[in-house]
Amino acid sequence: EAGVAQSPRYKIIEKRQSVAFWCNPISGHATLYWYQQILGQGPKLLIQFQNNGVVDDSQLPKDRFSAERLKGVDSTLKIQPAKLEDSAVYLCASSLELDRGKEEQYFGPGTRLTVT
Amino acid sequence: AQSVSQHNHHVILSEAASLELGCNYSYGGTVNLFWYVQYPGQHLQLLLKYFSGDPLVKGIKGFEAEFIKSKFSFNLRKPSVQWSDTAEYFCAVRTGFQKLVFGTGTRLLVSP
Repeated sequence: EAGVAQSPRYKIIEKRQSVAFWCNPISGHATLYWYQQILGQGPKLLIQFQNNGVVDDSQLPKDRFSAERLKGVDSTLKIQPAKLEDSAVYLCASSLELDRGKEEQYFGPGTRLTVT
Repeated sequence: AQSVSQHNHHVILSEAASLELGCNYSYGGTVNLFWYVQYPGQHLQLLLKYFSGDPLVKGIKGFEAEFIKSKFSFNLRKPSVQWSDTAEYFCAVRTGFQKLVFGTGTRLLVSP
């Protein structure tokens, strides 16, 4: 079974530039998550989709971050404009469906973003 | 809001030593508890989980964790570590449909 795919794996941009990350979840997984992991910290949820609807985006900085999941499969996360503090690893995860918090999340390899 | 504390940020052990990594959470209600592991160069993956029932849960690769409700703790243990256990370990907590909240992680280095 193929895992969660993410691209690119690494990205270096200058502040105020824009960047986009792509995620392809495990086939059949209805729920998709984007996490931000800053060095020395645990992953922090940015946004959660159930099919193509947003379940939770309470921690997404909406003035600069946006995400979409068209057709309930692939997803893109965009930052525009980037700030230095956005340097982090962006993780995508997916799970079969919401099950009262018991569902196992499967993580992709992440995209390491460096903003200079 | 929920919070998760992992007090040991870095742990260094010799092979065959016993391991215990601490995890404490702040929420007083029903919780779902997880330990995730990230081996060097690999994805985060689930090590074990607790939802209800027997508070001692067993996971992959000989790991186990004990849920102690009165102490709000879910410590990870392994009787004898191997060099291949070198990794970063994350405790995570979720209540109902709320978001999964991770601790800051513990980097374990096992020397051969």
